Amino acid sequence: NAGVTQTPKFRVLKTGQSMTLLCAQDMNHEYMYWYRQDPGMGLRLIHYSVGEGTTAKGEVPDGYNVSRLKKQNFLLGLESAAPSQTSVYFCASSYSGQGGTDTQYFGPGTRLTVL
Amino acid sequence: EDQVTQSPEALRLQEGESSSLNCSYTVSGLRGLFWYRQDPGKGPEFLFTLYSAGEEKEKERLKATLTKKESFLHITAPKPEDSATYLCAVQGVGGGADGLTFGKGTHLIIQP
Repeated sequence: NAGVTQTPKFRVLKTGQSMTLLCAQDMNHEYMYWYRQDPGMGLRLIHYSVGEGTTAKGEVPDGYNVSRLKKQNFLLGLESAAPSQTSVYFCASSYSGQGGTDTQYFGPGTRLTVL
Repeated sequence: EDQVTQSPEALRLQEGESSSLNCSYTVSGLRGLFWYRQDPGKGPEFLFTLYSAGEEKEKERLKATLTKKESFLHITAPKPEDSATYLCAVQGVGGGADGLTFGKGTHLIIQP
């Protein structure tokens, strides 16, 4: 099993450009999450999904959109990138979240720079 | 609002010198406390989950313990390969999100 994979690994954008980050998992997990990690701060939840076709906002959702069209994929979109979105983005997945406690497994991350 | 505070921010030890990392937390009903290891340029790697006060878990040179207010990650006779940033996170019963609330991490360096 590859676990959680993310593409691309690195990306540089200009302010105002758009892009989509792809997360894929092969563990048949129901829940998927997008976090961002910034220097001096803990990982913060952007959006999450409890199943195919569902999405919900996390702690810092502004400026991002997400879609979960297939159970194994979770996409994070930036419609108009801003320098404040320069960060490392991590995707995670877990078997289930609600009603129980399941370990979240993380991908290798995407380093995004917005100029 | 769930909160996690880790201390120290950074710790430098000699190889073989045992120590402990602290994770203090406030949460509206703890469902789980997680420890992760993160190497530079990599994603967090799962180490332990603790569910209730008094619980302990071990893996090689690492031992995690949990009380009602804090968790400790004890490192016994560390080796240089234990150098990493160690992250603590909690999952509470309150709120709509099932994501984790993370601390800022402890950057551990083990010198040969």
